[in-house]
Parts: sequence; structure tokens; C-alpha cells
Amino acid sequence: QAGLTQPPSVSKGLRQTATLTCTGNSNNVGNQGAAWLQQHQGHPPKLLSYRNNNRPSGISERFSASRSGNTASLTITGLQPEDEADYYCSAWDSSLSAWVFGGGTKLTVL
Amino acid sequence: EVQLVESGGGLVQPGGSLRLSCAASGFTFSSYWMSWVRQAPGKGLEWVANIKQDGSEKYYVDSVKGRFTISRDNAKNSLYLQMNSLRAEDTAVYYCARNKLDYWGQGTLVTVSS
Repeated sequence: QAGLTQPPSVSKGLRQTATLTCTGNSNNVGNQGAAWLQQHQGHPPKLLSYRNNNRPSGISERFSASRSGNTASLTITGLQPEDEADYYCSAWDSSLSAWVFGGGTKLTVL
Repeated sequence: EVQLVESGGGLVQPGGSLRLSCAASGFTFSSYWMSWVRQAPGKGLEWVANIKQDGSEKYYVDSVKGRFTISRDNAKNSLYLQMNSLRAEDTAVYYCARNKLDYWGQGTLVTVSS
């Protein structure tokens, strides 16, 4: 099953803004939007946003998501050292009847 | 508090079988689709399978179709993954998650090796 496309790595400075992208197609991202997950080394993933910009309780407002067509984006403002992690996007693919994930973006906070 | 606790992982030889379990608590288990997601060492996340609330619908990633079976027991608040004909490429940490990906377990490691 084809996955979503994410850049392998992004590096930004402390207190800067990072925008991560995730490209799919009309059957997944373009249909129901994307979820974004954060994963620190050795820990399970944590949901940051679902269906584009719905944040679960407890997730900082510094994390915001959006979508334009078949591309979803996660913007992280005021970068902190603890934001250094792997970020994954995911979407339900209606043609595959399957969840598809991006390959993940490793965010480095300089 | 929502909790998902996986168990059943371990070392198994190629061609062998393993059954993973996930014990759920803190929410009405029977009201949610549930998923299994895996992560090979040093790799990204891969969705494996999911199951509807009453078990009447199940979906699988192509690479495990015919080998893995997802099931659930709502009376026991438990999710299962029966894995047969295991291959080296099935080596991964297997996570149990609510289908909306909002809650995840800590994962259980499955290693397929001779």
C-alpha cells in the first residue's frame, strides 16, 4: 500500500517556527484530512492533531495543523528542545480501506 | 485513565506463530474500532490491521493478509493479533491503538529469527 510522503528531516533553531509537510492523494489526505503524531525515541507515538486541526486535550497550542488539497501541514511555533522528535502523518485511505502513514520527519532543534 | 497494555511478544523462528494480546481499560472498549500498528527497528510506523466494534469488519495491510488475524473479546476488553507464518520482516514493536490513533499502548517486541 502506498504511503504518504514526508521530508526525512527538518532542522530549525530554538524559538523558531517549523512547518512539516505530508503529501497524499484524494483518497486519503484530500478526503478525510490527516492526523499528526509525535514520537520520542523509545516511546510510543502521541497524537498531536486529527482531521487537520483538532487537538486532543493537553496538546499545546504551539502545534497547529492545516490542509491544502492533498497536502497536510503541521506548524510548530516557538520551538523548544523537547520538540525534537520524529513526526508522522497518517490518514485513512478510503480506496485501500487502510490507514496509511508517512515515512516520518525527524525534527532537529538547533 | 485510558490504558492499553500489550503482551505476547518474543523471539520466534521463521514460519512460526505468535499471539499478541492487548488489555484495554479506562474507556468503553466495545464502542471503538481498534488497530494494531507496528514499527520495525529504526523504521517508521506501519498500520497492520483494524477491527470494528463488534468484530464484523476487519481490514489488513497487504503484507499480512492471509497470515495475520485480528480479533477482539469485548467481554474481556481485549484485542488480539494472531500471527502465523512469521517472516524476518515482521520483526517490529507491535502497538495496540484506538483506531483514531488517540491512545497507544507501550508496545510489545516481536523478533523473528533463527
